[in-house]
Amino acid sequence: EIVLTQSPGTLSLSPGERASLSCRASQSVTSTYLAWYQQRPGQAPRLLIYGASSRATGIPDRFSGSGSGTDFTLTISRLEPEDFAVYFCQQYGSSPSTFGQGTKVEIK
Amino acid sequence: EVQLVESGGGLVQPGGSLRLSCAASGFTFSSYWMHWVRQTPGKGLLWVSRIHSDGSSTSYADSVKGRFTISRDNAKSTLYLQMNSLRAEDTAVYYCARDGRYNWNSNWFDPWGQGTLVTVSS
Repeated sequence: EIVLTQSPGTLSLSPGERASLSCRASQSVTSTYLAWYQQRPGQAPRLLIYGASSRATGIPDRFSGSGSGTDFTLTISRLEPEDFAVYFCQQYGSSPSTFGQGTKVEIK
Repeated sequence: EVQLVESGGGLVQPGGSLRLSCAASGFTFSSYWMHWVRQTPGKGLLWVSRIHSDGSSTSYADSVKGRFTISRDNAKSTLYLQMNSLRAEDTAVYYCARDGRYNWNSNWFDPWGQGTLVTVSS
């Protein structure tokens, strides 16, 4: 199965700053079948990005996804207070679908 | 508003059984594949199982194959997960999730329910 490694484990930033989160796959992800989710404390994950770069319905345009093959990035252009959370990537091109271990974005 | 509400979690002894339910509303349940995903602090998120929109096809993670059974009742807009021969390592928050695409098995998840906690311990 494909192993996804997210880095860094924790990102300490201030509101208004730019965040770049990495997701690296152990082998090439089929057809950019990669998604990103946000999880706030005590809540379920929420879909942000699918197909590596397509924003889900209702997701602000400060969130963007990029990448292909084995290297993917989630970028938050300007952090809002509600963006401090944990972010997971997921590949769904190969069975079984797998998740990264998460990156926590915390307030500096 | 699309809603998924899980129930049925709780404390169960090793070797025991539990049945989770997920009540869906706000969308045409019978037109979507559905999934179960679990989360633990130690091992993170793990896809558990999925079922075709009409219930005709199912798949499982290797770690639960032969012990868990996914099913659905489209007349009741409800998804189920029957969990047998439970082990300590099955302890997790279990989420039901709708597949991301209408009438298709995309294997990305949107939305997720709020989750139900299953604890396997003596």
